[in-house]
Order: sequence, then C-alpha cells, then structure tokens
Amino acid sequence: QVQLVESGGGVVQPGRSLRLSCAASGFTFSSYAMHWVRQAPGKGLEWVAVISYDGSNKYYADSVKGRFTISRDNSKNTLYLQMNSLRAEDTAVYYCARSELGYCSGGSCFFDAFDIWGQGTMVTVSS
Amino acid sequence: DIQLTQSPSFLSASVGDRVTITCRASQGISSYLAWYQQKPGKAPKLLIYAASTLQSGVPSRFSGSGSGTEFTLTISSLQPEDFATYYCQQLNSYPITFGQGTRLEIK
Repeated sequence: QVQLVESGGGVVQPGRSLRLSCAASGFTFSSYAMHWVRQAPGKGLEWVAVISYDGSNKYYADSVKGRFTISRDNSKNTLYLQMNSLRAEDTAVYYCARSELGYCSGGSCFFDAFDIWGQGTMVTVSS
Repeated sequence: DIQLTQSPSFLSASVGDRVTITCRASQGISSYLAWYQQKPGKAPKLLIYAASTLQSGVPSRFSGSGSGTEFTLTISSLQPEDFATYYCQQLNSYPITFGQGTRLEIK
C-alpha cells in the first residue's frame, strides 16, 4: 500500500548535525513533490521544506533556511533532510508528506495539499 | 507570511452535534486551503483540499467552504472518532502555513 516511513531521528547536541530519511513505497515516488513538516511537543504543525518531483525546485521555511537541506534520490524512492547547526527549538516530530504539483508561475512552483504522511520521527536537540 | 487564525481554539461538543470551525487568512489565498485532522500520537490526515473538495475516503459529514480570507470546516453530525485536533493550511504562497489548531473534545 501507499506508505512513507521516516527514520534517522534521535537525540543530538546543539550545533551538531542529523540526517533524516523518508522511504516511499506503493506509488511512483518520482511523480510527486515531497515535504517535511515538524511538530514540537504539544504544539502545532510547522512546514519545513518542499522539493519538487525532480529536485529542481526547493523552498524552505525561514526558520531553517541556510541550516537544513532537502534532497531526494528517485532511484532509491527516498527523501532526505540534512539538518545542520541544530538548535533546541528544532526539537520536534518530523513528518514527510507527499503532494502533487499545483502550478508554476513567475519562476515559482506551488503544490497541492498533503495527501499522504509518514508516521514521524522524533528529533531531540539537547545537551 | 500569511497568518491563519482558527476559531475557536477549543471546542466541546456532543456526539450528533453539528460543529463549525473557522479559519481566517491574513490576506487573500483564493481557494488554496486544506483541512487536516490529527489524533494524539498520529500523523495528520487530509480531509478537505481546495477549500471545499472532500478527500477520497473521508466521510461526507465533513464539508468545507469559503474563499479569499474566510473558510469553514463543518462536521454535520459528530461521531466518536471525530474528536481530534483540526488544522487549516494555506498553499497560496511561501512559507506554507498552518492555523494554530482547534481541539475538539467530547462534552
């Protein structure tokens, strides 16, 4: 069945790095844009980043821009989030989610709602 | 950034009730709005996209309406499995943003 499975979470010290993975199955991964969304303990949802189906377009939340990098390997059906210079405020459950391309205009692309989500992986940044 | 404000933030209701949650955007977003349901310890689930289109497999008691800056999610007759937190989301511009959530609890 259609499934996304995140991995790579854990406890990490402030300033260190971590790479999350999201393995996709049951659908044609290379046809969909993919997002990372996070949720701090007891808080709401925060969109983190998106990558287009072919990796040509990437967008980030200001809170992670310059520190996090989203990437994908369509040959491995896997999405990644490289997280550098981690801070305590990055502590959250990280979800990957898929969406279709909505439209492109003026050099930017926009995506549809997130129809499939993974179960999440917890990242704790603490000394 | 486009801010989404949901009201109420907390709602207590009974099985069988009709409930409405409102989401107001700080600027116009056409119909680029989605609604999600999240239960404790679980990932969000897409309910409504493009403001009013029901996601496949979602019960018809859920409905969405609105465009521009004001949107609503309505549950026509609450079922026990509907008690959860609901989020709206705008996809009109970056950064993509979510409302703060509406927690729906059993009265």
